[in-house]
Amino acid sequence: EPEVTQTPSHQVTQMGQEVILRCVPISNHLYFYWYRQILGQKVEFLVSFYNNEISEKSEIFDDQFSVERPDGSNFTLKIRSTKLEDSAMYFCASGGTGYNSPLHFGNGTRLTVT
Amino acid sequence: GENVEQHPSTLSVQEGDSAVIKCTYSDSASNYFPWYKQELGKGPQLIIDIRSNVGEKKDQRIAVTLNKTAKHFSLHITETQPEDSAVYFCAATSYGEDQFYFGTGTSLTVIP
Repeated sequence: EPEVTQTPSHQVTQMGQEVILRCVPISNHLYFYWYRQILGQKVEFLVSFYNNEISEKSEIFDDQFSVERPDGSNFTLKIRSTKLEDSAMYFCASGGTGYNSPLHFGNGTRLTVT
Repeated sequence: GENVEQHPSTLSVQEGDSAVIKCTYSDSASNYFPWYKQELGKGPQLIIDIRSNVGEKKDQRIAVTLNKTAKHFSLHITETQPEDSAVYFCAATSYGEDQFYFGTGTSLTVIP
């Protein structure tokens, strides 16, 4: 069964550094998402991406965050200058061909900012 | 925006018993309600979903019910097994909205 893959599984970085989290969505999906989950809390929406542009973003997704789909297969989340509070699990998800298509999540990247 | 509340936060059941997890939502425009199971160290995995044009859906030991009037939906797991132990999240969204709104999760423990 096709799956969403994320790399790395764990990233440790120092405060102020830039990080790039990578995802390969399911190949025929059209909608791409980043969510995050702070330890023990709910899954929170960051951003959705469709037709090569951001379609929706949350308040969390400020100017420090950006997303890109550079080559038609990868989908990346960049945090320009990490803060301690960015420490969380970051999940990439992809959805099919229409609104309300089920989301398929990757196994996440655990980001630790020290 | 939508607000999804989920109860209970933790649930322990004996193997073979049933487990019920309940969620409420605030936006009457929400029309799609998936349930996700998250095992330790993994991402949420879709286990069942329901759309607003039906009141109940079953898939083997798992069922979901939806009450649009009361704005709540529930996950029912029958004949629970130890491998059902995980964190379960409900979610809601509406047509035209990209964002899925998640509940706070229920940690289910099935005691052998």
